[in-house]
Amino acid sequence: EVQLVESGGGLVQPGGSLRLSCAASGFTLSAYNMEWVRQAPGKGLEWVSYSGGTSGTIIYADSVKGRFIMSRDTAKNLVFLQMNSLRDEDTAIYYCARGRYTFYFDYWGQGTLVTVSS
Amino acid sequence: QSALTQPRSVSGSPGQSVTISCIGTSSDVGGYNYVSWYQHHPGKAPKLLIFDVNERPSGIPDRFSGSKSGNTASLTISGLQPEDEADYYCCSYAGSHTRVFGAGTKVTVL
Repeated sequence: EVQLVESGGGLVQPGGSLRLSCAASGFTLSAYNMEWVRQAPGKGLEWVSYSGGTSGTIIYADSVKGRFIMSRDTAKNLVFLQMNSLRDEDTAIYYCARGRYTFYFDYWGQGTLVTVSS
Repeated sequence: QSALTQPRSVSGSPGQSVTISCIGTSSDVGGYNYVSWYQHHPGKAPKLLIFDVNERPSGIPDRFSGSKSGNTASLTISGLQPEDEADYYCCSYAGSHTRVFGAGTKVTVL
C-alpha cells in the first residue's frame, strides 16, 4: 500500500526557515516523480515543486523559486522541502504527492501545517 | 501562472448530475491533454478522480467523468450521492513540468 506521511510543519517567524519531510512507503521512491502542493487557509491548491524520479530534474513554482529547495534521500525513502526566507503568504498546509508521467498526482499525504507569523 | 477558473460552488439533489467547468488558456488546458481532477474533503488527503482529461483510476466509480473542449475542461458527477459533498479541483500541465490548479468548486448535495 502506498503511503506518504509529511512532518516538520510548525510556527516560524517571517524570514525564518523550516524543513519538511515526507516519508514514502509501498513503492520504490527512485522510480517516481515526487511533488509538493500547498493550500493556504481558505484558498485553493497551489503546485509548489517537482522532483523527477529518474531524471533528477527539480522545478519550482515562481512563488517559491530561489527560496525553497526540494531534495530526496532514496536510501531512507524520504523527500524534503527546505523552506528559507519564509513569508506570511507561505502559510499553508503542505502536501507531498507522488507524480506520474502525464503530470498528475496519484497519491497524496495528509499534509503538514506551516504557519509563518510574528 | 494564473489559477484556472472554476465556479465557486455547484449544488444538486441526490441522484442528479452536476458539471464543474475549468477554464484555462492555450498555454495550459488547451495546449495539453493533461488535465486531472481531485476530490478534497477538508482535513483529508486530496483524492485523484480523473487523469489525462477523461481517464479514471481503478476504484473510482464511473459516475465521475471528464471531458475537454478547447480551453475548457469539465468534470461531471452523475447520480450525485451525499458522500460526493466536497471540494473539487482541476489541474492542468502548463509546460516545463509546471502545473496550475483551479481555485476549487464546493459541491453541495441538497
